[in-house]
Parts: sequence; C-alpha cells; structure tokens
Amino acid sequence: EVQLVQSGAEVKKPGESLQISCKGSGYSFTTNWIAWVRQMPGKGLEWMGIIYPDDSDTRYNPSFQGQVTISADKSISTAYLQWSGLKASDTAMYYCAKYSPLDAMDVWGQGTTVTVSS
Amino acid sequence: DIQMTQSPSTLSASVGDRVTITCRASQSISGWLAWYQQKPGKAPNLLIYKASTLESGVPSRFSGSGSVTEFTLTISSLQPDDSATYYCQQYGTYPYTFGQGTKLEIK
Repeated sequence: EVQLVQSGAEVKKPGESLQISCKGSGYSFTTNWIAWVRQMPGKGLEWMGIIYPDDSDTRYNPSFQGQVTISADKSISTAYLQWSGLKASDTAMYYCAKYSPLDAMDVWGQGTTVTVSS
Repeated sequence: DIQMTQSPSTLSASVGDRVTITCRASQSISGWLAWYQQKPGKAPNLLIYKASTLESGVPSRFSGSGSVTEFTLTISSLQPDDSATYYCQQYGTYPYTFGQGTKLEIK
C-alpha cells in the first residue's frame, strides 16, 4: 500500500524551531516529488513547495521562500518541513503529498497540526 | 503567480442533482489541472488529474473537462457522501496554485 505517514501534532512557542516529517512507503520514494501544503484554520489549501528526493531539487512558493526549509533524506524515505523561528501565524495543518506530473498529488499524508502560542 | 478562481464559493443541491463547479485560470495552464475533494478533518483526496482523467477508485459520477483557462468539475448525480469542499489546482507552472475552494452542501 502506498502511503505517507506524517509526524504528530506539535505545540510550540513563538521563536522556537520545529521540524515535521513525512515518511513514504510502498512506492519509489526517491523518484517521486513530495509537496507540502498548508491549511490555516478554516481556510483553503496553499502550495508551499516541492522536493525531488533523489537529488533534493527543491522549488518554493515565493510566499514561503525564506520562511521554511524543505528537505529530504532518501535513505530513510522521509521528507521534512522545518522552521527556524516560528510565529503565531504558522499555526496551521500541514500536509505532505506525493506528486508526479502525470498523476498530480495522488497520495496525501494524514496531516500534522502545528500550534504556535505563547 | 497563476490565479485560480472557482465559482461558486458555496453550493447547495439535492441528492440526484447534476452539479457543476467552474475553475478559471488567470493564464493558460494547458491541461495541467487537478480537482481534489476535502471532507472536514481529513486530508484532500485526488478526484481528477490532467483536467479530465478520473483517479482510480473515484466514482464515475465525477468528471472533469476543459482546457487552456476554463475547467469544470461535474457530479452527474449528487450523493449524500459528496458533501465536501472541492479545490482545483494548476500544476503546470511554479508555484502551483489552488483555487479558493467550493463548499458543496446537500439540501
């Protein structure tokens, strides 16, 4: 079964750092892009960026460039989304999804809730 | 960035109705358009890709059409389980962008 399993919910304070993860299984993790999508409370979907795990080629939405870092470790089939200084406005649900140009975002993780509050 | 505009934003229809949601792109995206369904508290689920290709396992009452800048998602006979928010997404040009969503309610 093809699946993406994300790390658990996080509660952090403003200014703290955070890394959440997305582990793929059941398919060739290395040769399929992984995308990250943000959904703020009660709002729509926002495409943050995408990474190709084989060579770590990464493309960011300019709206998120410099605010987050997307990375991957192909040896353990895991992609990451990282913040170095969280803000209250980072409070959201974050999804990873497997992406290919032929199939769009066809498999999604279950989501990771990030809450940033003092 | 390519702007994706969905209409309507909300829609109320009865079981058995034919429902159409429109998605317009601010510039040509050829056929690189996907539709997703999201139910409350759940991750989105891919319905349609490349504008008109039905994802495996998705009921055949869902269909997609369109090209260039105008696309539609049609549900041929609305079922109670179709109550959800629907999003279009272009994936032809970075940054890939979503429409604002259409909330579909069952009367």
